[in-house]
Amino acid sequence: KAGVTQTPRYLIKTRGQQVTLSCSPISGHRSVSWYQQTPGQGLQFLFEYFSETQRNKGNFPGRFSGRQFSNSRSEMNVSTLELGDSALYLCASSLMTSSYEQYFGPGTRLTVT
Amino acid sequence: QQQVKQSPQSLIVQKGGISIINCAYENTAFDYFPWYQQFPGKGPALLIAIRPDVSEKKEGRFTISFNKSAKQFSLHIMDSQPGDSATYFCAARGNSGGSNYKLTFGKGTLLTVNP
Repeated sequence: KAGVTQTPRYLIKTRGQQVTLSCSPISGHRSVSWYQQTPGQGLQFLFEYFSETQRNKGNFPGRFSGRQFSNSRSEMNVSTLELGDSALYLCASSLMTSSYEQYFGPGTRLTVT
Repeated sequence: QQQVKQSPQSLIVQKGGISIINCAYENTAFDYFPWYQQFPGKGPALLIAIRPDVSEKKEGRFTISFNKSAKQFSLHIMDSQPGDSATYFCAARGNSGGSNYKLTFGKGTLLTVNP
């Protein structure tokens, strides 16, 4: 089976812009979670989608949003980018919602200048 | 706020030695404790996981020890190899409903195994 794929792998944006990241889960996985990884804060949970519905949400501002499509693919959007949003954004898929067994993609490295 | 504290931040071990990474959590609202391994340029990958009603779980060279009363758990890597050099994250999954059903990660331990 193909693993979790994320596009793009690298992205450079300017402060104030918005960005959309894409994630394709492992075939058959219906849950997609998003995480932000930074050297200072580590891995932080953003949100989880299952069957096109947001099931869990972390403590991030409303500028961070997501959605899931009927084929389980997911997108994450960040509006009004800030310098502090520079991070590795990881997508993870799992068979069921709220699973501890998650399969991570390679991430999208976002740099905000 | 649920937290998982991980130590040490970095660890250097000689080939063949034992690597030990420790984690502690602050409340009892967790029901699974997985460990993830991350190599540079890759996403984390599940290594091994344990439930709080089990004191130890072993898979190959990797062992999780769990101390429920102390709210601590640790990863032991026996006969450490250079290929084990990676960042290791402990995590805990909340067992309450709503937004608590999520993974909370420790901040990671960078393990270097010297040949």
